[in-house]
Amino acid sequence: AQSVTQLDSQVPVFEEAPVELRCNYSSSVSVYLFWYVQYPNQGLQLLLKYLSGSTLVKGINGFEAEFNKSQTSFHLRKPSVHISDTAEYFCAARLQGGSEKLVFGKGTKLTVNP
Amino acid sequence: EAGVVQSPRYKIIEKKQPVAFWCNPISGHNTLYWYLQNLGQGPELLIRYENEEAVDDSQLPKDRFSAERLKGVDSTLKIQPAELGDSAVYLCASSRGGGGQNIQYFGAGTRLSVL
Repeated sequence: AQSVTQLDSQVPVFEEAPVELRCNYSSSVSVYLFWYVQYPNQGLQLLLKYLSGSTLVKGINGFEAEFNKSQTSFHLRKPSVHISDTAEYFCAARLQGGSEKLVFGKGTKLTVNP
Repeated sequence: EAGVVQSPRYKIIEKKQPVAFWCNPISGHNTLYWYLQNLGQGPELLIRYENEEAVDDSQLPKDRFSAERLKGVDSTLKIQPAELGDSAVYLCASSRGGGGQNIQYFGAGTRLSVL
């Protein structure tokens, strides 16, 4: 069975600093990978996705992530964060050619301080 | 294009009462999902519909939870009777179809508080 681990439950950073949110997955078969963002009292919004092709994926709001098959990782990065990036970030995986079920990590709360 | 619409946004009920949540997916999306999100956790799938058919309801607690998607568009998720542990956010999502590289789009959720 697949699983997704987000290594940090909370990440505090200062505005304009770089940030990396870590995500590791476990699966015996290939997966599709996603990052979603959830602002307070809102639903999940897709930030970016890895389906195939280039391992460096760019998303909205200046975020990017790199798929590393050997490390089974899909870390999310942003070179310079803003106050408005404060939110909960979820990494998710879905088996290629299998169930439609998305498996989510427990989330990382990013807090950007002035 | 309108997103996934859920109502109500918030619901407060006493334990043992029934409650229902409604979801309207994005137009043209055949696949609809209900997820449960407990505080401090990621969403967990409860049930998935392909058109009118529930194709994965293995995680739905069938003793008290039920769902329907009549006509393959809107869906309702019901809890009867509600328990204290049901307090959570219930998220609805939809996608264009099953298989391949489809993307799931989420609604804003219904936050349920059971007192």
